[in-house]
Amino acid sequence: AQSVTQLGSHVSVSEGALVLLRCNYSSSVPPYLFWYVQYPNQGLQLLLKYTTGATLVKGINGFEAEFKKSETSFHLTKPSAHMSDAAEYFCAVSGGNTPLVFGKGTRLSVIA
Amino acid sequence: GAVVSQHPSWVICKSGTSVKIECRSLDFQATTMFWYRQFPKQSLMLMATSNEGSKATYEQGVEKDKFLINHASLTLSTLTVTSAHPEDSSFYICSARDGRNSPLHFGNGTRLTVT
Repeated sequence: AQSVTQLGSHVSVSEGALVLLRCNYSSSVPPYLFWYVQYPNQGLQLLLKYTTGATLVKGINGFEAEFKKSETSFHLTKPSAHMSDAAEYFCAVSGGNTPLVFGKGTRLSVIA
Repeated sequence: GAVVSQHPSWVICKSGTSVKIECRSLDFQATTMFWYRQFPKQSLMLMATSNEGSKATYEQGVEKDKFLINHASLTLSTLTVTSAHPEDSSFYICSARDGRNSPLHFGNGTRLTVT
């Protein structure tokens, strides 16, 4: 079984500041990890995913995440926030052949 | 907290038959529901956006006549896979929210196997 915990339901950063959205997971099998973004009134968009291989994964819009097995974490980062990054972000885990399990989401606000 | 319930959690059907999957919001009114398809070891693919009382908006490449979506009430949306084929075998996941700025809640998914 898998589960996901996203720390912080709401994160606020200044434009140009570092974005750090935290995600911890648990999985009884090697995990597949995903970050999604959702803008108002839209469906989920995949930012990046980790399946196997390199633990530092780069995604769209300048986001990246690092899989740390020892910490069971998959935190999402972006060096410099942009106003257009304001959205809701979801971390998700799968066991490969199991349904995705989502975290509760983190709303990112970017302050000018 | 808010809960989205999907039913059934898994279903096996024969090729050529139709299958209906329900997505219910248990303690809130869902003005918008999303239907996704998840292929094994892969990400989600948004199939359609369902708004209560109006026709669903389908993503490019999704066959409207094959994947029928009905959002007849504020607590129920259904996805019917018509004339199912083995290639339709997949996980189907719904999500729902009760307002523009409210959190998104996910169902537990339905595993469809077409034999």
